Amino acid sequence: DAGVIQSPRHEVTEMGQEVTLRCKPISGHDYLFWYRQTMMRGLELLIYFNNNVPIDDSGMPEDRFSAKMPNASFSTLKIQPSEPRDSAVYFCASTLGGTLKPYEQYFGPGTRLTVT
Amino acid sequence: AQSVTQLDSQVPVFEEAPVELRCNYSSSVSVYLFWYVQYPNQGLQLLLKYLSGSTLVKGINGFEAEFNKSQTSFHLRKPSVHISDTAEYFCAVSRQASGGSYIPTFGRGTSLIVHP
Repeated sequence: DAGVIQSPRHEVTEMGQEVTLRCKPISGHDYLFWYRQTMMRGLELLIYFNNNVPIDDSGMPEDRFSAKMPNASFSTLKIQPSEPRDSAVYFCASTLGGTLKPYEQYFGPGTRLTVT
Repeated sequence: AQSVTQLDSQVPVFEEAPVELRCNYSSSVSVYLFWYVQYPNQGLQLLLKYLSGSTLVKGINGFEAEFNKSQTSFHLRKPSVHISDTAEYFCAVSRQASGGSYIPTFGRGTSLIVHP
């Protein structure tokens, strides 16, 4: 398997523009997570899905952020409109949802977003 | 609620010296603990995990960690570090979310800097 795939790897945009980040999880994994990493706040969980359904979006910072998972092999995180404080590295991760024990998360390489 | 505290934000060490990265957790139920490593410009990857059994857990790249229930700690150690171990290290504890699956909570991370 190619692992978790994220695109683009780098994104530079101007304030006010719409930004869409993409993620393809590992085939067969039923959980998908979106994280944001900054120096100030560390690694923050934004939202996670189970079988394409959003389960917990309490980490999404504002209504400007939205995430979708239209099928088991694709998810998007959209920011509209973007602001300079959204600059961060955004990670997607996937895992199997075990109820008897936890499984490890597999992370993508991340998308480095810069909003000017 | 579960939380993870990584006591050191940065740990500088010379090559071939031993190192310990500290992690304490709080949990009211059984815990499952992980250490992840993040090399520069990459996503996180699993270093080792404790699910049950022996409290001394061995991982990749010569790292090991010891689960100490009485002290609620899961410190990561390596007897002799290499330059290539320079990375960010994250401790995580898994909590059982609604629906029964396990969701990780990550610490803020510890930056290990190995000097020649």
